[in-house]
Amino acid sequence: TQLLEQSPQFLSIQEGENLTVYCNSSSVFSSLQWYRQEPGEGPVLLVTVVTGGEVKKLKRLTFQFGDARKDSSLHITAAQPGDTGLYLCAGVGQNFVFGPGTRLSVLP
Amino acid sequence: DAGVTQSPTHLIKTRGQQVTLRCSPKSGHDTVSWYQQALGQGPQFIFQYYEEEERQRGNFPDRFSGHQFPNYSSELNVNALLLGDSALYLCASSFSPRQPQHFGDGTRLSIL
Repeated sequence: TQLLEQSPQFLSIQEGENLTVYCNSSSVFSSLQWYRQEPGEGPVLLVTVVTGGEVKKLKRLTFQFGDARKDSSLHITAAQPGDTGLYLCAGVGQNFVFGPGTRLSVLP
Repeated sequence: DAGVTQSPTHLIKTRGQQVTLRCSPKSGHDTVSWYQQALGQGPQFIFQYYEEEERQRGNFPDRFSGHQFPNYSSELNVNALLLGDSALYLCASSFSPRQPQHFGDGTRLSIL
């Protein structure tokens, strides 16, 4: 069974701070996706990473896929209150496997 | 361009009842997946439908079944409801089975 772990589980920071959240597994995935979910809504896809070592940037968000395609990180620079939400990673293997998420709160 | 739509948005049932949830995929998408998201957790994969057949299935009992229609819309059926079935049920669609998914806003199912 493929499993994904995410850390930290909860994160509360002040506006303007930087942060990194992690997504780890013992399994290899063909690709990995990051989503953000806000209360009462479904997850929204942020990025897909496919190649080991790949780095993708989306404005203030930087995503990295581990060389062995077992882990990934999301770094947010100068966080803003609009970044608040549940950040989910999902691995594409036998099925889509979601991690439990990191709940981020950015305080003004 | 309509995204993924799910109905109903909220539903209350009692133990032992049966429920049917519905999903219309994003225009142009032919693959539909269903997920169960318990409070405070990430989505758990239930199954995926492509070409009107169940292609992949997660670790869910046979009480959970589904269907995909020729227009690519889909239904999730759950029989003999248990209190533990209370969750947000998410539908996601994609261009093909392993492509990035677009999610609906879910159906919140509460079992009393």
